[in-house]
Amino acid sequence: AQSVSQHNHHVILSEAASLELGCNYSYGGTVNLFWYVQYPGQHLQLLLKYFSGDPLVKGIKGFEAEFIKSKFSFNLRKPSVQWSDTAEYFCAVISNQAGTALIFGKGTTLSVSS
Amino acid sequence: NAGVMQNPRHLVRRRGQEARLRCSPMKGHSHVYWYRQLPEEGLKFMVYLQKENIIDESGMPKERFSAEFPKEGPSILRIQQVVRGDSAAYFCASSPILAGVNTGELFFGEGSRLTVL
Repeated sequence: AQSVSQHNHHVILSEAASLELGCNYSYGGTVNLFWYVQYPGQHLQLLLKYFSGDPLVKGIKGFEAEFIKSKFSFNLRKPSVQWSDTAEYFCAVISNQAGTALIFGKGTTLSVSS
Repeated sequence: NAGVMQNPRHLVRRRGQEARLRCSPMKGHSHVYWYRQLPEEGLKFMVYLQKENIIDESGMPKERFSAEFPKEGPSILRIQQVVRGDSAAYFCASSPILAGVNTGELFFGEGSRLTVL
């Protein structure tokens, strides 16, 4: 079935550690890709997005993601996490072959200890 | 982002009652989406509307759930005869349509948390 998969359900890191959250999708066609973040008790906010062009995209707060078309992946990275990065992270995809709405992965909870 | 307004933020209903959740999109956005979030399940797409038109309701349960986005006023997600399994956070999002293209980028409200007793 077509889907968006996030490999890690819960990631626990210490401050200053590097972060990589995996995201794979199974849709064909042209895709737009997103990472959203949900801080505790808050609404979802856009971290970064990829529509076309340079497959390495930079977002807010030092996050970046790389689109690898051959691997159907859009992994999120940050070189050095902070305690304030504790949140839930969602990968999302819209494909011209998969309907009209953004489809989300199940999310990854990141806990950063100080 | 306080642009997308949802109310109520919290709603408690007893089984069999009706729940109505409202959403006003960001200024200038004419497209509204509703998602449901359950613990450890991420956000599930429910319905996509523009004013006076349902564009995609493929994620809506076949019974008890309905949505509208009238010409005037907010979008409303209506759940009739609620059951405990309807307890969840319901998020509304709006999107701009740039040059006739839906990029998929969404702006979310703060959600309405429905608890069914």
